[in-house]
Amino acid sequence: EIVLTQSPGTLSLSPGERATLSCRASQTIRSSYLAWYQQKPGQAPRLLIYGASIRATGIPDRFSGSGSGTDFILTISRLEPEDFAVYYCQQCASSPFTFGPGTKVDIK
Amino acid sequence: QVQLQQWGAGLLKPSETLSLTCAVYGGSFSGYYWSWIRQPPGKGPEWIGKINHSGSTDYNPSLKSRVTLSVDTSKNQFSLNLSSVTAADTAVYYCARVGLYCRGTDCYRPVDYWGQGTLVTVSS
Repeated sequence: EIVLTQSPGTLSLSPGERATLSCRASQTIRSSYLAWYQQKPGQAPRLLIYGASIRATGIPDRFSGSGSGTDFILTISRLEPEDFAVYYCQQCASSPFTFGPGTKVDIK
Repeated sequence: QVQLQQWGAGLLKPSETLSLTCAVYGGSFSGYYWSWIRQPPGKGPEWIGKINHSGSTDYNPSLKSRVTLSVDTSKNQFSLNLSSVTAADTAVYYCARVGLYCRGTDCYRPVDYWGQGTLVTVSS
């Protein structure tokens, strides 16, 4: 099983600032089968990024993903008020398709 | 637009069987895998397993001995049974679609549509 670790656990930032979230895998994720999700309280996760860097339909271009192998990054270029949420990475390379523990982005 | 609507009992006693069903509206049912994912309070999601229209399944090894996924293609529905539940199984359970996005020779399978979630509490 591929174990995903996310850092930091919490990121306190102000609107307009840049957010950089990290996801590290316990083994290489082939073909960058890594996805990112956003979750707000009381809601299901929403797909943001798949294939490590491909934005899902309707996702604003302030969200970008990068990385390969075992190290991946989600960047939010300028935080909007609606971006304060919890973000999860997930590997879709090998079963079980594990998720990370999440990074909470909250308002400073 | 794809929509997933799920239902099932939200309060169980230890040793009982959790049963949830998810109906899929819109889009193709046969062209995808359909999954169950759970999320304990305050924690990250946990993959339970997936099933396709022909009944081919893939389970999380940590739950495999207790999980059964089934599908009813006549109703575009799929179901989860989890036996012998304990307090550790308390979580929000989601049904979801495993998407399929191909770019060149690579095909990616992120979870792209989710049900509304069902809070299942196991308590004596």
